[in-house]
Amino acid sequence: AQSVAQPEDQVNVAEGNPLTVKCTYSVSGNPYLFWYVQYPNRGLQFLLKYITGDNLVKGSYGFEAEFNKSQTSFHLKKPSALVSDSALYFCAVRPVFNAGNMLTFGGGTRLMVKP
Amino acid sequence: DTEVTQTPKHLVMGMTNKKSLKCEQHMGHRAMYWYKQKAKKPPELMFVYSYEKLSINESVPSRFSPECPNSSLLNLHLHALQPEDSALYLCASSQGTGGGSNQPQHFGDGTRLSIL
Repeated sequence: AQSVAQPEDQVNVAEGNPLTVKCTYSVSGNPYLFWYVQYPNRGLQFLLKYITGDNLVKGSYGFEAEFNKSQTSFHLKKPSALVSDSALYFCAVRPVFNAGNMLTFGGGTRLMVKP
Repeated sequence: DTEVTQTPKHLVMGMTNKKSLKCEQHMGHRAMYWYKQKAKKPPELMFVYSYEKLSINESVPSRFSPECPNSSLLNLHLHALQPEDSALYLCASSQGTGGGSNQPQHFGDGTRLSIL
């Protein structure tokens, strides 16, 4: 069975500073990895995914994530945080050959960007 | 704007009521999902429909009854719910569910359900 860990319940960063939201995973075989963001009273919005190829994946709103197979990590990053980036972030994984497209989500990390 | 539309946005119902949640997508996706999300927690998968057929039921109580009338619509019929069923119910869709499918799921904004 697969699992995802987001070790930080909350990350605080000042506006303009770089941010990192951590994610590690456990899966049999190769993974597909996803990051989603959830703003208050909204559903989950897809940010980016890792399928194969380049370990650095670029996504929406200036976010990027780095896939590290040896460390089984997929950390979300942004060079310069905005107050509007404050939200709940979820990392998700599914094995490549998993019928049903069932995602396993991490517990979520609340990002607080202060002016 | 979200491409998956859910109605109503809010619903308050008593434990003896019958109500339905609706979800619609026009992206041509052939897989649709229902999730339950409690505050500050990740979504929990309830049901998966693939090509309008129920493919996964995550041991959900029978007081929740899904229905997929066509490839664009997904309903969740509710009856005799309990207070612990109060949550945000999210619908999602994706291009497919096949073993090699790497397309993301697209989520609606959910229905916030309160059981009195």
